[in-house]
Amino acid sequence: DAGVIQSPRHEVTEMGQEVTLRCKPISGHDYLFWYRQTMMRGLELLIYFNNNVPIDDSGMPEDRFSAKMPNASFSTLKIQPSEPRDSAVYFCASSQAPADAYNEQFFGPGTRLTVL
Amino acid sequence: AQKITQTQPGMFVQEKEAVTLDCTYDTSDPSYGLFWYKQPSSGEMIFLIYQGSYDQQNATEGRYSLNFQKARKSANLVISASQLGDSAMYFCAMRGKTGANNLFFGTGTRLTVIP
Repeated sequence: DAGVIQSPRHEVTEMGQEVTLRCKPISGHDYLFWYRQTMMRGLELLIYFNNNVPIDDSGMPEDRFSAKMPNASFSTLKIQPSEPRDSAVYFCASSQAPADAYNEQFFGPGTRLTVL
Repeated sequence: AQKITQTQPGMFVQEKEAVTLDCTYDTSDPSYGLFWYKQPSSGEMIFLIYQGSYDQQNATEGRYSLNFQKARKSANLVISASQLGDSAMYFCAMRGKTGANNLFFGTGTRLTVIP
């Protein structure tokens, strides 16, 4: 398996522009997670899906952020309009349905977003 | 609410020596899981080891072991025989409340292995 695939790996954009980050989870994984990593806030969960349905989006910063999962093999995280404070590394992760408390999450390589 | 605390921003260890990275957690959930991830300078997150709250024995994976002290709510990572390639950020994480599947991460510890 190729693992979790994210694109683009790097994105530089100007404030006010729309940004779309993409993720392909590992085949057969029922859960997909979007995390954001910054120096100030560390790693924080933005949203996660189970069987393509958003379960918890309480970490989404504000209405400028939206995430979709139209099918089991694809998800997007969109920021519109982008702001400099959105600059961060965005990780996508996926996991199988957990047995008991165990649910190892496999992370993608991340997308480093810079908003000028 | 769940909380993960890593009190060591940075640690140094001599090559071939063992090192312990601290992690304490707080949860009211009787069932939980604790994870350690490694993040090298290249940026990817690599799963290292898992400990379930009901596991009777401390988890081990190769050179990694977890010193799990449930009463003290600590889950320290022990790396034995450190190698230069172990230099990285290390994150402790806890699975969310029962029925949820997200992870809460600590702030991380930067480990530097000295030759």
